[in-house]
Amino acid sequence: KAGVTQTPRYLIKTRGQQVTLSCSPISGHRSVSWYQQTPGQGLQFLFEYFSETQRNKGNFPGRFSGRQFSNSRSEMNVSTLELGDSALYLCASSLGTATSTDTQYFGPGTRLTVL
Amino acid sequence: AQSVTQLDSQVPVFEEAPVELRCNYSSSVSVYLFWYVQYPNQGLQLLLKYLSGSTLVKGINGFEAEFNKSQTSFHLRKPSVHISDTAEYFCAVSNYGGSQGNLIFGKGTKLSVKP
Repeated sequence: KAGVTQTPRYLIKTRGQQVTLSCSPISGHRSVSWYQQTPGQGLQFLFEYFSETQRNKGNFPGRFSGRQFSNSRSEMNVSTLELGDSALYLCASSLGTATSTDTQYFGPGTRLTVL
Repeated sequence: AQSVTQLDSQVPVFEEAPVELRCNYSSSVSVYLFWYVQYPNQGLQLLLKYLSGSTLVKGINGFEAEFNKSQTSFHLRKPSVHISDTAEYFCAVSNYGGSQGNLIFGKGTKLSVKP
């Protein structure tokens, strides 16, 4: 079974631009979560989607948004990029049952650099 | 609110020596507990998880962890490490009975195994 895939793997943008990152979950998984990883703040939860609905949201500004499609693929968007948005963005998928004890499987991440 | 503290940011150890990576958590509700490993330029991989039952949990690659409710700890151990165990290790919690899409991570411990 193919793992979680994220595209692109590397991205360079300039301040003020916007960016869209993509995540394809493992086949059959309905939950997709996004995390931001930086040296200073560590791993921080952004949001979780299940069956095209946002189920949980972390403490990030409204510039960070996401969506999930009917095939469970997910995208996240960051508008008006700031230098501090430079990070590794990780996507994780799981089966996503409501009282879940599933394992989350992480993708390799997208490394975003904002200049 | 929940939080996770990994007491050591870096742990150097010689090959074939035992290692313990410490993790303490804070939560007003019951939690699930996890240890993930991240190799350079890769995503996170689940080592083991505690959901319920036996407090000693065995994971992949010879790792194990013990849940201690009274001390709110979930320390990771391996009796004999290999060079290939060099990586960053993250402890994480999520709400018992809630969605696992929202993991709260510690800051990570970099394990460096020397020959």
